[in-house]
Amino acid sequence: QVQLVESGGGVVQPGTSLRLSCAASGFTFSTYGMHWVRQAPGKGLEWVAVISYDGNRKFYTDSVKGRFTTSRDNSKNTLYLEMNSLRPEDTAVYYCAKDPGFWSGYSDNWGQGTLVTVSS
Amino acid sequence: EIVLTQSPGTLSLSPGERATLSCRASQNVNRSFLAWYQQRRGQAPKLLIYGASSRATGIPDRFSGSGSGTDFTLTISRLEPEDFAVYYCQQYGNSPWTFGQGTKVEIK
Repeated sequence: QVQLVESGGGVVQPGTSLRLSCAASGFTFSTYGMHWVRQAPGKGLEWVAVISYDGNRKFYTDSVKGRFTTSRDNSKNTLYLEMNSLRPEDTAVYYCAKDPGFWSGYSDNWGQGTLVTVSS
Repeated sequence: EIVLTQSPGTLSLSPGERATLSCRASQNVNRSFLAWYQQRRGQAPKLLIYGASSRATGIPDRFSGSGSGTDFTLTISRLEPEDFAVYYCQQYGNSPWTFGQGTKVEIK
């Protein structure tokens, strides 16, 4: 079955960087688009970024453009989110989620999430 | 950006009752590209419905979705104890893809 396991979260100071990873298994990782979605404590869901199956196309929500970069290593079945210039408002649980196709826009499987806390 | 407004914010019902959740978009959602997710406390979201009305794999038929354009509905025909959760709609017809703020279905 599909399994997505995020890691790399933690407590960091504003202005610093963090890299999240998402290890995928149970499906052919290299043939599906992947998403990052975040959820601030006690709040709703916010879509953050998407990457195509081959890593050649990426798209971000405006609030993270220029600060966050998503990438993937299909040889390692792993998705990444590099987060720079972190702000307190980036504090959230970050989920990686599988797209059901190339770039459908919704997610049919989700990881359990990793918590990122940005605080001084 | 399309803004999705879900109503009501909280729905208080008893097991066995019918739940009707609304999701209204600020503009037309292209090709009814609307999904519904369930999030139980402390868990990741789970896909219920995509394409406004197609059930995801393994989702019981008590869950149904309908609607088009700007008005969409998720109906749970008879609430089971495990259905008490928060439900989110998401549009993926126009970028950036956006979520509604959620409807909490709680036990009355």
